[in-house]
Amino acid sequence: QSALTQPRSVSGSPGQSVTISCTGTSNDVSAYNFVSWYQHHPGKAPQLLIYDVSQRPSGVPNRFSASKSGNTASLLISGLQAEDEADYYCCSYAGTYDLWVFGGGTKLTVL
Amino acid sequence: QVQLQESGPGVVKPSQTLSLTCIVSGGSISSGNYYWNWIRQPAGEGLEWIGRIYSRGSTDYSPSLKSRVTISLDTSGNQFSLGLDSVTAADTAVYYCARGTSAMGRGMAYFDYWGQGTLVAVSS
Repeated sequence: QSALTQPRSVSGSPGQSVTISCTGTSNDVSAYNFVSWYQHHPGKAPQLLIYDVSQRPSGVPNRFSASKSGNTASLLISGLQAEDEADYYCCSYAGTYDLWVFGGGTKLTVL
Repeated sequence: QVQLQESGPGVVKPSQTLSLTCIVSGGSISSGNYYWNWIRQPAGEGLEWIGRIYSRGSTDYSPSLKSRVTISLDTSGNQFSLGLDSVTAADTAVYYCARGTSAMGRGMAYFDYWGQGTLVAVSS
């Protein structure tokens, strides 16, 4: 069982928006602003989408945005495209004991 | 462009030691504020952080694996390695290496480059 809870799957049609949630605890997501999100196409290297809760690295489209409220972080993907179909993982710093924890992953299907 | 590539045996016998190497290209493993990490994913499950080594050599490990894990740096080969002792079927997973860094220039806040992963099966 993963430390952070994500929905197993979400889906949307091209052009629509979807939100993926990531629920942690007072020891990780709500305690630190070190939440990151990764996109993973099976068989390829995972790619960084978001860091420090809501920051986008250069090269990541602004269709990807993220935020945090309390114990829950959220990734919003707007204007869905076929190439967005992938697995998405959240990650949070969890302090000097657990250090880094991940979510179980969410499979995004573009209908 | 930094690239990471995992290598190692695809099968390890129970009770033996799993050994993997991550070769880094496009940057020096011993310079800068970077942490070199191992992360794994059992089939059908989420990602699990295993541990990390700083470019200066200090290490941190997941509490659940700490007693069995060793991560080391090979600066001459620009690579770092994972050793996991006394493996069981529960250690069967895809193992990833990843670089950790932060926007602040110190500490680690996220993983900016990953390898493609290598599948390791524990089987007799």
